[in-house]
Amino acid sequence: KAGVTQTPRYLIKTRGQQVTLSCSPISGHRSVSWYQQTPGQGLQFLFEYFSETQRNKGNFPGRFSGRQFSNSRSEMNVSTLELGDSALYLCASSLTRLGQGDTDTQYFGPGTRLTVL
Amino acid sequence: AQSVSQHNHHVILSEAASLELGCNYSYGGTVNLFWYVQYPGQHLQLLLKYFSGDPLVKGIKGFEAEFIKSKFSFNLRKPSVQWSDTAEYFCAVNGGFKTIFGAGTRLFVKA
Repeated sequence: KAGVTQTPRYLIKTRGQQVTLSCSPISGHRSVSWYQQTPGQGLQFLFEYFSETQRNKGNFPGRFSGRQFSNSRSEMNVSTLELGDSALYLCASSLTRLGQGDTDTQYFGPGTRLTVL
Repeated sequence: AQSVSQHNHHVILSEAASLELGCNYSYGGTVNLFWYVQYPGQHLQLLLKYFSGDPLVKGIKGFEAEFIKSKFSFNLRKPSVQWSDTAEYFCAVNGGFKTIFGAGTRLFVKA
């Protein structure tokens, strides 16, 4: 099976712009979660999507949003970019929703490295 | 609130030394526990997981972890590390429908 794929792998934007990141989960996986990884804050949970609905959200401002399509692919959008949004954005997929036991093991993609200038 | 604490941020060992990385969590309900590894230049990979049953779980590459419920701990161990184990290790706890990661421990193994 192909793993989790994320596009693009690298992105450079300037402050004030907006960006959309894409994630394709492992075939058959219905849950997609997004994380922000920075040297200072580590891995922080952004949100989880399951069956096209946001199921849970971390402590991030409303500038961070996402959606999931019927084929389970997900996109994450960040509007009005700030310098502090520079990070590695990771997508993870799992068979079921988080908290469902053995089937909620997450498999991570390679990430999208976003640099905001 | 859920939290995960990894005791050591940096660990340096010589090859063949034994490894134990500490992980403590705070959450009152049922949890699933994970250790992930991120090798230099690679993405996060699952090392092992616990969700029920035997509290001693074995993962890939000779790693194991023990869930001690009374101590809210899930420490990672390996009896003899190799240079190729140089990586960053993350403990993660899934409870309440989201996964919280520890800050990570960078392990450097000297050849």
